[in-house]
Amino acid sequence: AQKVTQTQTSISVVEKTTVTMDCVYETRDSSYFLFWYKQTASGEIVFLIRQDSYKKENATVGHYSLNFQKPKSSIGLIITATQIEDSAVYFCAMREGAEGADRLTFGKGTQLIIQP
Amino acid sequence: GGIITQTPKFLIGQEGQKLTLKCQQNFNHDTMYWYRQDSGKGLRLIYYSITENDLQKGDLSEGYDASREKKSSFSLTVTSAQKNEMAVFLCASSRDRGYTGQLYFGEGSKLTVL
Repeated sequence: AQKVTQTQTSISVVEKTTVTMDCVYETRDSSYFLFWYKQTASGEIVFLIRQDSYKKENATVGHYSLNFQKPKSSIGLIITATQIEDSAVYFCAMREGAEGADRLTFGKGTQLIIQP
Repeated sequence: GGIITQTPKFLIGQEGQKLTLKCQQNFNHDTMYWYRQDSGKGLRLIYYSITENDLQKGDLSEGYDASREKKSSFSLTVTSAQKNEMAVFLCASSRDRGYTGQLYFGEGSKLTVL
């Protein structure tokens, strides 16, 4: 069965610095997709970024980028030039295979606190 | 753009009571999901539906029923609420092709059982 693990419960950094959040996953599938979602204090959950397992290039969207280390089953989220509004809980998620519904398995989340 | 609307936002029930949560989406997405979020446990899939009248069990389906009578709506029923249960239930939807993994979430419905 697939499993997603986020070991960092909470991280605090100063505004405008770079932060990395860790995530490791377990899967038996050769094809899978990895995601990061953000949950704000209001409870809203939004999709941030995705990495396809067959792609070697790390995905980048705005000031979010991924550090995909396939041999280590690791997908870290990097946020550069952090802003106060980046304070949120970040969830790593995985989907096995490309057919059918987007049945995602989520990690427990990492709370990110950006301090002025 | 579109929106997912969950009702009610807050639900308080008694032990043993049957409680129903409703979800509406206007994205015209085929697939809809119900996730449960407990503090410190992330999101766990309860039920999902790939089309009208389809129901698929997730990892946490025991104790729940679901209904998808229209493409735009997906309901979740807690068949017998457990005392001291507290969780947030999140409805989501997704397109089927080309957007793998991008779920759109509602704002959540918070359940408290007295």
